[in-house]
Amino acid sequence: AQKITQTQPGMFVQEKEAVTLDCTYDTSDQSYGLFWYKQPSSGEMIFLIYQGSYDEQNATEGRYSLNFQKARKSANLVISASQLGDSAMYFCAMRGALDAGNMLTFGGGTRLMVKP
Amino acid sequence: DTEVTQTPKHLVMGMTNKKSLKCEQHMGHRAMYWYKQKAKKPPELMFVYSYEKLSINESVPSRFSPECPNSSLLNLHLHALQPEDSALYLCASSQPTTNEKLFFGSGTQLSVL
Repeated sequence: AQKITQTQPGMFVQEKEAVTLDCTYDTSDQSYGLFWYKQPSSGEMIFLIYQGSYDEQNATEGRYSLNFQKARKSANLVISASQLGDSAMYFCAMRGALDAGNMLTFGGGTRLMVKP
Repeated sequence: DTEVTQTPKHLVMGMTNKKSLKCEQHMGHRAMYWYKQKAKKPPELMFVYSYEKLSINESVPSRFSPECPNSSLLNLHLHALQPEDSALYLCASSQPTTNEKLFFGSGTQLSVL
């Protein structure tokens, strides 16, 4: 069984500073995918970034980067130059090799609050 | 703007009512999903449709009945729900190939009285 753990229920960051949101995972699959989603108070889940288990480079998407440490089974999200609009819930998610379709297993989430 | 549209945004229903949640996408995706999200919890998968056929049912009670009438539409029919079924119901779509990102709608906030 797969498991995703986000150990930070809530975090504060000062506007314009960088912040790291932690995510660790447990799987016996060799092939898997890791995703980060943002959920503002409106409820929509917004895709941020994806990392494949065989990708050698860390994924980057604008201000978002993924610090992928395969041996440690961690996939931390780094947000650079935080903005007030970054205040939201952030979910780490995983798709295993045997998962049909693109079903995702989500971690418990981290609520990020950006201070002006 | 989200490319997955869910209606209604809010729904209040009694335990004897029958209602339906609707989801629509026009991105040409052939996989569609229903997730349930309780307050302060992560989303939990309920159903997956792939090429308009039900491929995954995560042991969801029969009072929830999904339907995929065509490749753009996904419905969730509700009947005889319980108060503990109150939650945010999220629809998502993707291409059915491996590790494609899911596009989510804004959800329907359901309250069962």
